[in-house]
Amino acid sequence: DAKTTQPTSMDCAEGRAANLPCNHSTISGNEYVYWYRQIHSQGPQYIIHGLKNNETNEMASLIITEDRKSSTLILPHATLRDTAVYYCIVRGPTGTASKLTFGTGTRLQVTL
Amino acid sequence: NAGVTQTPKFQVLKTGQSMTLQCAQDMNHEYMSWYRQDPGMGLRLIHYSVGAGITDQGEVPNGYNVSRSTTEDFPLRLLSAAPSQTSVYFCASRFTGGYGYTFGSGTRLTVV
Repeated sequence: DAKTTQPTSMDCAEGRAANLPCNHSTISGNEYVYWYRQIHSQGPQYIIHGLKNNETNEMASLIITEDRKSSTLILPHATLRDTAVYYCIVRGPTGTASKLTFGTGTRLQVTL
Repeated sequence: NAGVTQTPKFQVLKTGQSMTLQCAQDMNHEYMSWYRQDPGMGLRLIHYSVGAGITDQGEVPNGYNVSRSTTEDFPLRLLSAAPSQTSVYFCASRFTGGYGYTFGSGTRLTVV
């Protein structure tokens, strides 16, 4: 699975959009980009995933560049509850070996 | 629907003791995994299973055993606890064709 690079930490004002970048320059053609977050000491929570196209769900939007070497997770209106560590993970299609490789993620601090 | 249930939530062991961390899911998920998370680090895969009767090693399997006799349960056994196994342990599951994992709330293990 491709390796990812994320900033160690970011700050965001409450109500503003939080844009979390991720580099995955060695991603293969059939690998997906996943985002999870971990609030305090809880278990990680799945946010969103994508292959080529931009994706949006009730939690966030995922923007993947055309060359697929980087992506951005967007929380459109961040709240204090969005303070967490966000993990960008690249892995193969479902049905392949069932692994998620977590890095150290980006610690997002949402402030008043 | 309880999701992924891990027991116990907290445990203190003495060096050399053995114990089993329990993980149960009621979503009929085929894939189940165990991760450990050390302070300030991302999650690392210990063992995983793609279905009942099938298990495989992850990144850090030494000192741990697993079995999968039913779809619902995936216990993790520590054979002879060591201080290096002090960590937070997370269990996760998903459907074969699904994308996002559901994580349990974790077991905090301290080995003294």
